[in-house]
Amino acid sequence: LAKTTQPISMDSYEGQEVNITCSHNNIATNDYITWYQQFPSQGPRFIIQGYKTKVTNEVASLFIPADRKSSTLSLPRVSLSDTAVYYCLVGDLYNQGGKLIFGQGTELSVKP
Amino acid sequence: KAGVTQTPRYLIKTRGQQVTLSCSPISGHRSVSWYQQTPGQGLQFLFEYFSETQRNKGNFPGRFSGRQFSNSRSEMNVSTLELGDSALYLCASNDGRGDNNEQFFGPGTRLTVL
Repeated sequence: LAKTTQPISMDSYEGQEVNITCSHNNIATNDYITWYQQFPSQGPRFIIQGYKTKVTNEVASLFIPADRKSSTLSLPRVSLSDTAVYYCLVGDLYNQGGKLIFGQGTELSVKP
Repeated sequence: KAGVTQTPRYLIKTRGQQVTLSCSPISGHRSVSWYQQTPGQGLQFLFEYFSETQRNKGNFPGRFSGRQFSNSRSEMNVSTLELGDSALYLCASNDGRGDNNEQFFGPGTRLTVL
């Protein structure tokens, strides 16, 4: 199973764009790249999923280069409520028997 | 559509006791996974049920068990509780589609073992 590496923590200010990069050198052909957000004492929340190139939804964008060995989650114009832990996951939930593999995540702190 | 619900939200038990946690998935979801989250170990996978069958199991001792009912509701049981079992227990449901990594998590049950 592919291992992910992402920064332990990041600081930002309100209104800025935040980019969190995750490396996953051993990503397999069938693996998807998925990002989750978690607030203290709550369950993680799905943000975005991609396989290759760029994916955008109403809250974030996900950039994946052609070799798929890394990915970047982009949060536009963050606010204080975006302070949370962000997890980068690589895998295929269906073939992994319903198992998501969470790393240590990136603790994002947004300041006023 | 209602989200994933977990009961109870908080539990306090003493060592040696047993506990049962309940999870109701999103309507129509047949896959339910359970996770344990602690400050030291992070989020760890316990097991997953799909259509009343356990399909996958993490590296936890046999004291941790679960089951799923025909309506997809799931229960998790921990017997002979230890201090180290204190954690946030999360369940998550998924529609079981092959191209979808989105799991919907419940709010969790905070278990404290004294």
